[in-house]
Amino acid sequence: DTGVSQDPRHKITKRGQNVTFRCDPISEHNRLYWYRQTLGQGPEFLTYFQNEAQLEKSRLLSDRFSAERPKGSFSTLEIQRTEQGDSAMYLCASSPSAAPDEQYFGPGTRLTVT
Amino acid sequence: AQTVTQSQPEMSVQEAETVTLSCTYDTSESNYYLFWYKQPPSRQMILVIRQEAYKQQNATENRFSVNFQKAAKSFSLKISDSQLGDTAMYFCACYTGANSKLTFGKGITLSVRP
Repeated sequence: DTGVSQDPRHKITKRGQNVTFRCDPISEHNRLYWYRQTLGQGPEFLTYFQNEAQLEKSRLLSDRFSAERPKGSFSTLEIQRTEQGDSAMYLCASSPSAAPDEQYFGPGTRLTVT
Repeated sequence: AQTVTQSQPEMSVQEAETVTLSCTYDTSESNYYLFWYKQPPSRQMILVIRQEAYKQQNATENRFSVNFQKAAKSFSLKISDSQLGDTAMYFCACYTGANSKLTFGKGITLSVRP
């Protein structure tokens, strides 16, 4: 399968712990996006990369959140000192440089903070 | 910044009939793209249809078509010959090159009745 993949699919953690999620984009796509989706809502933009450069971050991305995309391939999203309000689905998407608007989504990582 | 509004939280349609999902948007950009995404229960987001704002012709993809009214900033999705597999949440979204992100509406839950 050559779609966007995310790992893990589900993560349950206790408040205060750190978690890290991984996203593997479609191989020829140079743009990679992270979104957060809470129950019953549409996805909200967090950040995006063009190749390895992080070009924009939402104000939703507090200091506890950090994202990387070393070598412009896969990306990781880390949340430090998790809070119950971080519980959500974290979606990754990628798009080609020729059509940056056409974003293809992965299955998401569902985070539950207890 | 752009906004996307989906005011209908839920809709229901009989199998084989036609249903229209409403969406309005607002953006100050002249170049933008509009999308409908489908998110089946516990499954990933799928791109249904894409409309380039500078094109007057309404986009169509098999049973899915849009009614794009640029002056009214309206972008509705028509699903013809509804199928049980169309049951999902549908999100309207807007992309501009100015901020390179998708802005989503809150979504609408569509149920197709057998």
